[in-house]
Amino acid sequence: SQQGEEDPQALSIQEGENATMNCSYKTSINNLQWYRQNSGRGLVHLILIRSNEREKHSGRLRVTLDTSKKSSSLLITASRAADTASYFCATDESGGGADGLTFGKGTHLIIQP
Amino acid sequence: DTAVSQTPKYLVTQMGNDKSIKCEQNLGHDTMYWYKQDSKKFLKIMFSYNNKELIINETVPNRFSPKSPDKAHLNLHINSLELGDSAVYFCASSPGWGATEAFFGQGTRLTVV
Repeated sequence: SQQGEEDPQALSIQEGENATMNCSYKTSINNLQWYRQNSGRGLVHLILIRSNEREKHSGRLRVTLDTSKKSSSLLITASRAADTASYFCATDESGGGADGLTFGKGTHLIIQP
Repeated sequence: DTAVSQTPKYLVTQMGNDKSIKCEQNLGHDTMYWYKQDSKKFLKIMFSYNNKELIINETVPNRFSPKSPDKAHLNLHINSLELGDSAVYFCASSPGWGATEAFFGQGTRLTVV
């Protein structure tokens, strides 16, 4: 199975700055999703981008997808202390089916007040 | 109401014991999953299950077995626990079709001593 790679592994920025995280994957996908995990908690879905989409926005989040490079980026604008968490990209090869999601290793984001 | 709930949240047990983790979803989803998150936060799917089929990740030892009494429940039973089984286990569910998000439980931190 494929394994996504997030870059960077850790990111520390000042509150109000923008945070950009990248994800690469290896095989064909139906869609790519980003999840947030606060310390000691479960994963929360942030945004989904389908393989035929190139960019998607949701509030302060902007996701891009380049299927030719097998990569995606997550941009969080005007970061807040509450954005401190680990962020994971996850690829869905079959479109919600029994294959489940393949997760990257995650980016730990720290927003300094 | 919690969408995906799993119990217990923490589980400390000795090597060689048998233990179960319970998971319930009230979303009416057809597909449920178990994921394992290791100490480096890497998430890997263990099982996916709907009322038609069980898909097992080939790397999962056969000491692990999912049990589904009905569509809303997918419990994880582990026999002869080993130190290396220590991890956080997440239950998740999805509609089972189409490009859609997965809903995760809060996780069960298993510590084998």
